[in-house]
Amino acid sequence: GEDVEQSLFLSVREGDSSVINCTYTDSSSTYLYWYKQEPGAGLQLLTYIFSNMDMKQDQRLTVLLNKKDKHLSLRIADTQTGDSAIYFCAEWGGTASKLTFGTGTRLQVTL
Amino acid sequence: NAGVTQTPKFQVLKTGQSMTLQCAQDMNHNSMYWYRQDPGMGLRLIYYSASEGTTDKGEVPNGYNVSRLNKREFSLRLESAAPSQTSVYFCASSDLWGRVGEKLFFGSGTQLSVL
Repeated sequence: GEDVEQSLFLSVREGDSSVINCTYTDSSSTYLYWYKQEPGAGLQLLTYIFSNMDMKQDQRLTVLLNKKDKHLSLRIADTQTGDSAIYFCAEWGGTASKLTFGTGTRLQVTL
Repeated sequence: NAGVTQTPKFQVLKTGQSMTLQCAQDMNHNSMYWYRQDPGMGLRLIYYSASEGTTDKGEVPNGYNVSRLNKREFSLRLESAAPSQTSVYFCASSDLWGRVGEKLFFGSGTQLSVL
């Protein structure tokens, strides 16, 4: 079945770039998403990329997709303390017609 | 605009007790979902309702029941709570169920502890 994997934890210093990685198994994935969960809150959609794209940029966020390796990354430039959260990768798989979420990566931003 | 509202935010139950988690959305979405979030396991789908009047099982439905009361409301019931059901529960809604590009909108969650 579909599987989405992420590392559990990432720590960066304020002002540095953060790169959060995700791998997925469903080769028929058509949309890939990044959701952000702040403490005590639900998930909010950050950005998404269609599978025929390699890159998408949205202000400080850059999403890179390597479809051959089934690898997705989220780069946050100039990371701020307000970026501290759990980031979930999710893929919409054509074979399952549903969203599958990864385990989430907790980003800690230190001063 | 409230979005997706869940109640209660926190609940402690004893093993064997029952309770219902409430969810309402004001975005006129057709589809609604219940997920549970456990450490190291991401979000797992419990039940979903693709449209008013329909409900279907997700990955982990055992021990739960749902009711789609109307287009706005989707409740999750634990008939006889077990410690394994200690988790954070999220309700979500969307208007593109099962379709490419689906985006989910989430409530703020219910933290449930079963002792």
